[in-house]
Amino acid sequence: AQKVTQAQTEISVVEKEDVTLDCVYETRDTTYYLFWYKQPPSGELVFLIRRNSFDEQNEISGRYSWNFQKSTSSFNFTITASQVVDSAVYFCALIRSNFGNEKLTFGTGTRLTIIP
Amino acid sequence: DSGVTQTPKHLITATGQRVTLRCSPRSGDLSVYWYQQSLDQGLQFLIQYYNGEERAKGNILERFSAQQFPDLHSELNLSSLELGDSALYFCASSVASGNTIYFGEGSWLTVV
Repeated sequence: AQKVTQAQTEISVVEKEDVTLDCVYETRDTTYYLFWYKQPPSGELVFLIRRNSFDEQNEISGRYSWNFQKSTSSFNFTITASQVVDSAVYFCALIRSNFGNEKLTFGTGTRLTIIP
Repeated sequence: DSGVTQTPKHLITATGQRVTLRCSPRSGDLSVYWYQQSLDQGLQFLIQYYNGEERAKGNILERFSAQQFPDLHSELNLSSLELGDSALYFCASSVASGNTIYFGEGSWLTVV
């Protein structure tokens, strides 16, 4: 069975501070994909990143960066110089690579509040 | 804009009624997924279709059913509605296995 744990339920930081959202996953599969999604107050789920299990390179996109470590089964997300627009619920998710039979397993989400 | 279109965006209906939620996937995407997000259950996978065929089933109630049509749009039918069915229902789509899954804006269902 697959499981995604986001231990941080809520985080509040002052604007311009850096913040890291933790994600730990469990899977028996050797091939899998990890995702991060952002859910702003308006409700939609916005795709941020997808990473496959064979690519452990860290990625940076503007103020966002992701640290994938298979040794610790973690896929953490860091926002640098946070802004009020970053306030949202962030979900980490895992999917097995089994063609035609897929289920995206989500963590419980981390509510991030950026204080102006 | 993810390219996944869901209608209606908001729906209020009474207990015992039946509703249909509609989803148009991104152009070229063959897989369609339905998810339910409620306060107490979080994001729950309901069902997946691939090119018209059911491929995976999650915690979908027997009162709920879905289908994917030849033009690849999908519908989620919810019947005998109960107060606890009030939730945000998401449709998502992807090209194929391992590809990015894009979500629509969701359909807010309120059962009163």
